[in-house]
Amino acid sequence: NAGVTQTPKFRILKIGQSMTLQCTQDMNHNYMYWYRQDPGMGLKLIYYSVGAGITDKGEVPNGYNVSRSTTEDFPLRLELAAPSQTSVYFCASSYPTRGQFSGRLDQPQHFGDGTRLSIL
Amino acid sequence: SQKIEQNSEALNIQEGKTATLTCNYTNYSPAYLQWYRQDPGRGPVFLLLIRENEKEKRKERLKVTFDTTLKQSLFHITASQPADSATYLCALVKNAGNMLTFGGGTRLMVKP
Repeated sequence: NAGVTQTPKFRILKIGQSMTLQCTQDMNHNYMYWYRQDPGMGLKLIYYSVGAGITDKGEVPNGYNVSRSTTEDFPLRLELAAPSQTSVYFCASSYPTRGQFSGRLDQPQHFGDGTRLSIL
Repeated sequence: SQKIEQNSEALNIQEGKTATLTCNYTNYSPAYLQWYRQDPGRGPVFLLLIRENEKEKRKERLKVTFDTTLKQSLFHITASQPADSATYLCALVKNAGNMLTFGGGTRLMVKP
């Protein structure tokens, strides 16, 4: 299993450009999350999804959009990049849809290795 | 407002000693608490989970305590090794939706 895969690993954008950060997981997890991490700070939740077709805002959703058309994929879209969006973005997943731990509410989150985004 | 605090200063210890990291929270009644390890350039990796009705949890050289009266969790690494050097994050879950709120992390440096 690859776990949670994020692409690209690095990107530089100009102010006002748009891009999509890709995230895919192969663990049959219902829940997926997007966080941003600024230097020396904890992770802040941007958006999350509890299953295909369902998304909701987290703590810092402004300037971002998400979609969840399949269980595996949860892309994050930046429409008009701003310098304040320079950060490291992490995608995570949890809650297996099947198997021994299906339905338990205390499962850990599995993270990808992040996308480092600079907006200049 | 809800706050989770970890010591932002790096913790430097000698190999073989016990490292103790602190996570304090305010205005929170978490259902459970998780600890993650993060290496430079990598995503966090889950280490341990402790529930609000548990006082202590162990896994190999790791031990976590959870004091809901003090609103504090302590994370211990016994017989520390240079390979334990990393940033350690605590995260609280307030309800059953598994939404995590993270502290800022503490960087641990274990010197040989």
